[in-house]
Amino acid sequence: EAQVTQNPRYLITVTGKKLTVTCSQNMNHEYMSWYRQDPGLGLRQIYYSMNVEVTDKGDVPEGYKVSRKEKRNFPLILESPSPNQTSLYFCASSSQQGNEQYFGPGTRLTVT
Amino acid sequence: DAKTTQPNSMESNEEEPVHLPCNHSTISGTDYIHWYRQLPSQGPEYVIHGLTSNVNNRMASLAIAEDRKSSTLILHRATLRDAAVYYCILRDDWTNFGNEKLTFGTGTRLTIIP
Repeated sequence: EAQVTQNPRYLITVTGKKLTVTCSQNMNHEYMSWYRQDPGLGLRQIYYSMNVEVTDKGDVPEGYKVSRKEKRNFPLILESPSPNQTSLYFCASSSQQGNEQYFGPGTRLTVT
Repeated sequence: DAKTTQPNSMESNEEEPVHLPCNHSTISGTDYIHWYRQLPSQGPEYVIHGLTSNVNNRMASLAIAEDRKSSTLILHRATLRDAAVYYCILRDDWTNFGNEKLTFGTGTRLTIIP
């Protein structure tokens, strides 16, 4: 089954404790992206990747890092999480320009 | 990408057709019209997209006005599972090469009445 998986699905952590949210897709997609969803602000893009070793900033990249060492994986790294990064995070992937995007189930992160 | 305007909420009876409107008066010639939906506690899900002609797939139909300044997503027979937030998104699939970013607005919250 074609899918995007994220782990963990829920995470409560404390300020400053480094964490990684993993994202994996089994569709051999070139393009992957991370969004955060906040009430009243909709979904906003954090980072994206066109292919292996090619990443770039989205609209709200501050406080986040990403890497794309393999085509299927696109982890989101919070080196020093802060409470304003409490949010619902979604990973997405697609095969080529303009094609439908597949979203993961989401990771709800709480930073205290 | 140009802006879209959708009603905040709509209600429909189960097993009846639903017409979800979207206005995009500043659409450019290369903007595609994409529709996604987000069911409760899930990630967004692709529904349909088109450029000029009406489009049909197994989930829905997309009717695009001749001047392209508006479009309508049509669910032919709503079920309880169709209750979701529906997003109408414009995306220039020609010039945004490399970044497949979707700019989500606030969408229309569709409630299905049993």
